[in-house]
Amino acid sequence: QSVLTQPPSVSAAPGQKVTISCSGISSNIGNNFVSWYQQLPGTAPKLLIYDNNKRPSGIPDRFSGSKSGTSATLGITGLQTGDEADYYCGTWDSSLSTLVFGGGTKLTVL
Amino acid sequence: QVQLQESGPGLVKPSETLSLTCTVSGYSIRSGYYWGWIRQPPGKGLEWIGNIYHSGNTYYNPSLKSRVTISVDTSKNHFSLKLSSVTAADTAVYYCARVDTPLVSICYMDVWGKGTTVTVSS
Repeated sequence: QSVLTQPPSVSAAPGQKVTISCSGISSNIGNNFVSWYQQLPGTAPKLLIYDNNKRPSGIPDRFSGSKSGTSATLGITGLQTGDEADYYCGTWDSSLSTLVFGGGTKLTVL
Repeated sequence: QVQLQESGPGLVKPSETLSLTCTVSGYSIRSGYYWGWIRQPPGKGLEWIGNIYHSGNTYYNPSLKSRVTISVDTSKNHFSLKLSSVTAADTAVYYCARVDTPLVSICYMDVWGKGTTVTVSS
């Protein structure tokens, strides 16, 4: 059971938009910054979003992040088959004194 | 370009100590950032193990703290993980990463190693 809650899977057609939610509580998402990671099959995770909504150099603007209260959302527009991956949210939990992750969401591009 | 590479035994016996090293290239550990370990059991999600600064300051996941030691060797530009008294539940892919944590409320991994699989079995 992960501290942060994500839907197990989402799917959409190529070219469409999808959002992935990440739900927490005040001690984690509510008071700390959220990051998002993309894990392509058989590879290491890759940072997609940090500080709730910032993209590292090289990450296309098709990827966006937002946060409201105790929830965060990753948005992906113009879906490509190469976007099929597992996506994880993460943040610091001030009560647990640990970095916590969501359980991951598998994106299928139909 | 910063690169991280994990190394260590791929098979560890139950009750023994798992030892891994992460060698950093393209960046001096002394220059800053925290450095961390994260693991992923087969078919499961990510679990943070702990972080270390070049000064030796460490933060550990409380659920693993009694068994974990992370150390750093700035002369070799690498950092290491030791996990004692392992069981089958410690079987996972272990990743090392560079950790950016400019504030207490901010903590994320911006560069990851490729990961190394460790199996705990007799």
